[in-house]
Amino acid sequence: DAGVIQSPRHEVTEMGQEVTLRCKPISGHNSLFWYRQTMMRGLELLIYFNNNVPIDDSGMPEDRFSAKMPNASFSTLKIQPSEPRDSAVYFCASRIPRTGLGNEQFFGPGTRLTVL
Amino acid sequence: AQSVSQHNHHVILSEAASLELGCNYSYGGTVNLFWYVQYPGQHLQLLLKYFSGDPLVKGIKGFEAEFIKSKFSFNLRKPSVQWSDTAEYFCAVDISNFGNEKLTFGTGTRLTIIP
Repeated sequence: DAGVIQSPRHEVTEMGQEVTLRCKPISGHNSLFWYRQTMMRGLELLIYFNNNVPIDDSGMPEDRFSAKMPNASFSTLKIQPSEPRDSAVYFCASRIPRTGLGNEQFFGPGTRLTVL
Repeated sequence: AQSVSQHNHHVILSEAASLELGCNYSYGGTVNLFWYVQYPGQHLQLLLKYFSGDPLVKGIKGFEAEFIKSKFSFNLRKPSVQWSDTAEYFCAVDISNFGNEKLTFGTGTRLTIIP
C-alpha cells in the first residue's frame, strides 16, 4: 500500500490567495483526520471525518478554513484567504474502522505551507 | 475531556544512555495509548501501542512502554539510545468509546542524542 498521500508537499503562496491541500487516505480506511503542526502550537487536530461525514470541526481555526470529503478516497482542506499565520505543516491521517484493537492513525508526509 | 501531559520538553542524552520519557493522561475509563515518533522533517510514525493485555508493550527499534493504570501513565523506555533516535516523541490517548474518535496528543518531547 502506498500509505496516505498528500499533495502538494510544499506550497508557497502570497497572503490573500486561496490554498487547497489534498489527501488520499489508505484504501479501506474510513476515518480521516486533518492536523496542523507549528512550533508554537504543536500538533492540533483541525477536523475529522467518519465515512466521509465531518464529525468534529471544533479545531478549525476560523471560517477561512474549510474541509470536504466527497468520497472515501479523497479529501481537501481549503484556506481562503490565506494569511501568514497559516504557515505550518498540515498532516492528513487515516484509520481503519474500529475493531477494539487500538487502531492507530497512519499519517501522510504532510504539506509544508508558507504564506508570504 | 481527556488530556495528555508530557513533562519533558527537551531531553539530551549521550549515545548508549538509557531513556525514559514520561506520559500521563487524564481519563478514568478504558483507554488506548500510543507513542508516535517524528524524525526531523518527516511525518509521525507509530512506535508502539497499548489497547489491552500485557501492560508492558514492545515496539519497533527497541522501544518499550509500560501502562500503569493506577498512575495514569504510559512511559516510554529504551535501555540504550542511538544517535538515530534523535526525534520528537508524542504520546497519545484514544478513549475506547464509540462516538469519540479523536486521538489526543501530548505536546511532544524533543530527544537529542549526542554521539
